[in-house]
Amino acid sequence: AAGVIQSPRHLIKEKRETATLKCYPIPRHDTVYWYQQGPGQDPQFLISFYEKMQSDKGSIPDRFSAQQFSDYHSELNMSSLELGDSALYFCASSPLGHSEGDTQYFGPGTRLTVL
Amino acid sequence: DAKTTQPPSMDCAEGRAANLPCNHSTISGNEYVYWYRQIHSQGPQYIIHGLKNNETNEMASLIITEDRKSSTLILPHATLRDTAVYYCIVRVGDSGGGADGLTFGKGTHLIIQP
Repeated sequence: AAGVIQSPRHLIKEKRETATLKCYPIPRHDTVYWYQQGPGQDPQFLISFYEKMQSDKGSIPDRFSAQQFSDYHSELNMSSLELGDSALYFCASSPLGHSEGDTQYFGPGTRLTVL
Repeated sequence: DAKTTQPPSMDCAEGRAANLPCNHSTISGNEYVYWYRQIHSQGPQYIIHGLKNNETNEMASLIITEDRKSSTLILPHATLRDTAVYYCIVRVGDSGGGADGLTFGKGTHLIIQP
């Protein structure tokens, strides 16, 4: 079965640079979620989108922004990167608008390293 | 969302049933119990969820007490590949929770011993 696709899988950036992470949800899924997992920590929810509108917001820094496009893929934009932004970033998707429940299915993640 | 309490770690022998407990004494009537697991540095994997009835799928069984204040995830025949951190999450589910994010607690690190 098709899964959530994230790209790139690995990314290395310098401090103060910008990064863009991409997420392609499971086909027919209209809702995407972003999570951050620092070293040795549990995943923390950042933000979610349903039908291209921001739906829920967690602990997302002001330096980060995200959007969902007409094809339902989503991008997480991160600016003025700091060492502490080094983490795994997971995207999840769910078929919320199709009355198939809202179980979230996660992608493999993007490992961001800030030097 | 209601808070959950899980033991930090558990061991289980390969081939035996692994029983992972979760306490959620403040669960509300419209909140479901979800279980996810995360194998080292991989994306969290959905296992199962339920409201009040026991549930079973190809991965596991979920037993919820009658008062819904606790539940147990059962992996019937644990293998080495089941070694992971298991998260019990309580939230309004099946579209009632909208696009709300999941709140991951500390979870239980399950180690399957050969």
